[in-house]
Amino acid sequence: NAGVTQTPKFQVLKTGQSMTLQCAQDMNHEYMSWYRQDPGMGLRLIHYSVGAGITDQGEVPNGYNVSRSTTEDFPLRLLSAAPSQTSVYFCASSYTGVQTQYFGPGTRLLVL
Amino acid sequence: GQQVMQIPQYQHVQEGEDFTTYCNSSTTLSNIQWYKQRPGGHPVFLIQLVKSGEVKKQKRLTFQFGEAKKNSSLHITATQTTDVGTYFCAGLVYNNDMRFGAGTRLTVKP
Repeated sequence: NAGVTQTPKFQVLKTGQSMTLQCAQDMNHEYMSWYRQDPGMGLRLIHYSVGAGITDQGEVPNGYNVSRSTTEDFPLRLLSAAPSQTSVYFCASSYTGVQTQYFGPGTRLLVL
Repeated sequence: GQQVMQIPQYQHVQEGEDFTTYCNSSTTLSNIQWYKQRPGGHPVFLIQLVKSGEVKKQKRLTFQFGEAKKNSSLHITATQTTDVGTYFCAGLVYNNDMRFGAGTRLTVKP
């Protein structure tokens, strides 16, 4: 099993550009989530999904969109990047939301 | 705002000393999880506590969940250099919404 994979590892964007952060898991987990990590702030939940076709907002959803068309994939879309979105983004998955979360390696995003 | 507070933000210890990090929530938590993140790495699950007053041990690590399910602690006995990293607590606030503390960054001097 590859576990949770994320691409790209690093990305530099200009303000206003759009991009999609990819996340995939091969553990047949129902629950998937996106977090951003900023210094001194810990991890903050952006969006989560309890299964294919179902998504919900977390603590900081503004500026981000998600979809869950398959169990395996949970992409995060930035429609118009802003410098405030400079952060490290982690995708995580678990059998259910209350169980052990397995994190991907992260994507470091810099928005200029 | 952040509902799960964690202290201290930083802790520097001499190898062999003990270390404790505390987690407090403004609301009752359904469960609490602890994660460790090594520098440059991703969070790795350590343990989950569910029951009021629960205590769990993993070798030199002791985890506690408060009676009111609003606070938790992680205690490391006789720290080693391999314990270096940031320790996060994460509480299930409601439904599937997990809230992480800001983390305690532990450094250990050999």
